[in-house]
Amino acid sequence: GQQLNQSPQSMFIQEGEDVSMNCTSSSIFNTWLWYKQDPGEGPVLLIALYKAGELTSNGRLTAQFGITRKDSFLNISASIPSDVGIYFCAGGTSYGKLTFGQGTILTVHP
Amino acid sequence: GAGVSQSPRYKVAKRGQDVALRCDPISGHVSLFWYQQALGQGPEFLTYFQNEAQLDKSGLPSDRFFAERPEGSVSTLKIQRTQQEDSAVYLCASSAPGLDGRNTEAFFGQGTRLTVV
Repeated sequence: GQQLNQSPQSMFIQEGEDVSMNCTSSSIFNTWLWYKQDPGEGPVLLIALYKAGELTSNGRLTAQFGITRKDSFLNISASIPSDVGIYFCAGGTSYGKLTFGQGTILTVHP
Repeated sequence: GAGVSQSPRYKVAKRGQDVALRCDPISGHVSLFWYQQALGQGPEFLTYFQNEAQLDKSGLPSDRFFAERPEGSVSTLKIQRTQQEDSAVYLCASSAPGLDGRNTEAFFGQGTRLTVV
């Protein structure tokens, strides 16, 4: 099935560093969402974006909905050890069906 | 309940066996989604319900997969004659329409890990 192009696939960073990941698609989406998934758990929503060009922050997280509606990025500032996990972008239709990226595995060294 | 609940958490099935996976959505959530997540991949859409109506089943990989939500609440995903390639985590998510009629964010359950041996 279709999946979004998410990069990078993995990141190894030092605690305190900033992180940036992005997602692109050949299709237009109504919404862009970013999820975090810990082992053995379901994805947990971090940020939801509803309008092209929208820039939204949630604590140390900042995400933007691309103006073309085909891309999005997520930034994490001042990373901490509990940021470790797999981050997924997802593009959403009007009724909520999600198409996910392949995920970015984030490792934070203390 | 407070969140989306799925059962069982783990299921081991012999190849050819039928399985049934259950999802209890958040109370009052109209929309319910099933996703399949293979190891190391992002979740992939299987099917969508609005109340008891199955409005999109375009992601079901074969006619061995069947989902139902007869009373618009609990949903069951059934897989007949399981094959090894069916091994994956099956995730359920629910959401509710916001004031503008657009669905709010989907909340996911912990998933059922199915292993077919």
